[in-house]
Amino acid sequence: KNEVEQSPQNLTAQEGEFITINCSYSVGISALHWLQQHPGGGIVSLFMLSSGKKKHGRLIATINIQEKHSSLHITASHPRDSAVYICAVRSGGGADGLTFGKGTHLIIQP
Amino acid sequence: DVKVTQSSRYLVKRTGEKVFLECVQDMDHENMFWYRQDPGLGLRLIYFSYDVKMKEKGDIPEGYSVSREKKERFSLILESASTNQTSMYLCASSNGLGGETQYFGPGTRLLVL
Repeated sequence: KNEVEQSPQNLTAQEGEFITINCSYSVGISALHWLQQHPGGGIVSLFMLSSGKKKHGRLIATINIQEKHSSLHITASHPRDSAVYICAVRSGGGADGLTFGKGTHLIIQP
Repeated sequence: DVKVTQSSRYLVKRTGEKVFLECVQDMDHENMFWYRQDPGLGLRLIYFSYDVKMKEKGDIPEGYSVSREKKERFSLILESASTNQTSMYLCASSNGLGGETQYFGPGTRLLVL
């Protein structure tokens, strides 16, 4: 079973700061997901990665397969980025579910 | 847009009751999943289904069962609810077999008294 560790657990930053959230996993994967959960529970998929780097607006996700590590970066952070960010991995190639990290609670203060 | 809906946002039940949580997706996705989310534990997979009438156990299936009679609907059943099943329950769906994006419902917050 894959173990997924995220750091930090909690992060408070000022508006405009560059944010990095880290994720490491123990076993080789077929895909890694970054998810965002706002207060109230709704989860939105931000990225799905199997190699390299993806960018969407101010969000950048990178993955290093050899090191079993991924990072989510937020540039020019804004209070509306405040949310829980969750890393999740799929280990197999079938339709099985994801294994999740415990999440990083991000607060961006104005 | 993919839409995943869950039958209730909040539910209060008594110990021993049979509880049905319904999930419906409108994008003809093959795969559907039930997770529970608890503080400090994150999301954990209860059951998933990759086709009608097919089901697979996830990491924590004990105390739960599922039903998938139609492609768009995946039901989670608590045969005899217990207080340790108080949790947030999230349904998700995806297509294909290769790590595709999962689309989540809004969640059902269940309280078992």
